[in-house]
Amino acid sequence: QQQVKQSPQSLIVQKGGIPIINCAYENTAFDYFPWYQQFPGKGPALLIAIRPDVSEKKEGRFTISFNKSAKQFSLHIMDSQPGDSATYFCAASIGGGADGLTFGKGTHLIIQP
Amino acid sequence: GAVVSQHPSRVICKSGTSVKIECRSLDFQATTMFWYRQFPKQSLMLMATSNEGSKATYEQGVEKDKFLINHASLTLSTLTVTSAHPEDSSFYICSANRGSDTQYFGPGTRLTVL
Repeated sequence: QQQVKQSPQSLIVQKGGIPIINCAYENTAFDYFPWYQQFPGKGPALLIAIRPDVSEKKEGRFTISFNKSAKQFSLHIMDSQPGDSATYFCAASIGGGADGLTFGKGTHLIIQP
Repeated sequence: GAVVSQHPSRVICKSGTSVKIECRSLDFQATTMFWYRQFPKQSLMLMATSNEGSKATYEQGVEKDKFLINHASLTLSTLTVTSAHPEDSSFYICSANRGSDTQYFGPGTRLTVL
């Protein structure tokens, strides 16, 4: 049973565009939702995270939108650059991040110059 | 920032041997450390959670006798893959939590079993 569903699997956007990656979860006990960026052969790096009491959070060019009733959250990347080309994972956990993370399957993002 | 290191970054071993992977939090004390496995072009799957001085908690389907975890201090956790076989070849990644929400990930260890 996949508890966090992520889409799309891959995405190509022109430089300066706004890629949007969506995730949906099933377990209502999840209370912490981070997004990670991973480059080939490297460990994931935290981009931004949100808790369900907030509907939107912005950090730099990254924005999370959260819809608790729909059990969905999404990542928007403003003014995307070729250097943003990577695999992006959404995740969720119980206990505010103190527990292990359940990851989505990932989105391979390519930003074309 | 919070830095987590792993050693080695790559290891190749023969089938039947054991391999130890170290995970260290370099500039903070980690209340909890986690071990994940990632197969090529796939997502990360949680294997186990370890707290300093106590036994690790393994996820369903993960053999605790095959994947031995020791969390000897607040800055070091080790994963030993015992009697490794080719199907154990994977990217093993640890993360550390210093009491806040955030899990900081290490750079990963690529294990290849011949």
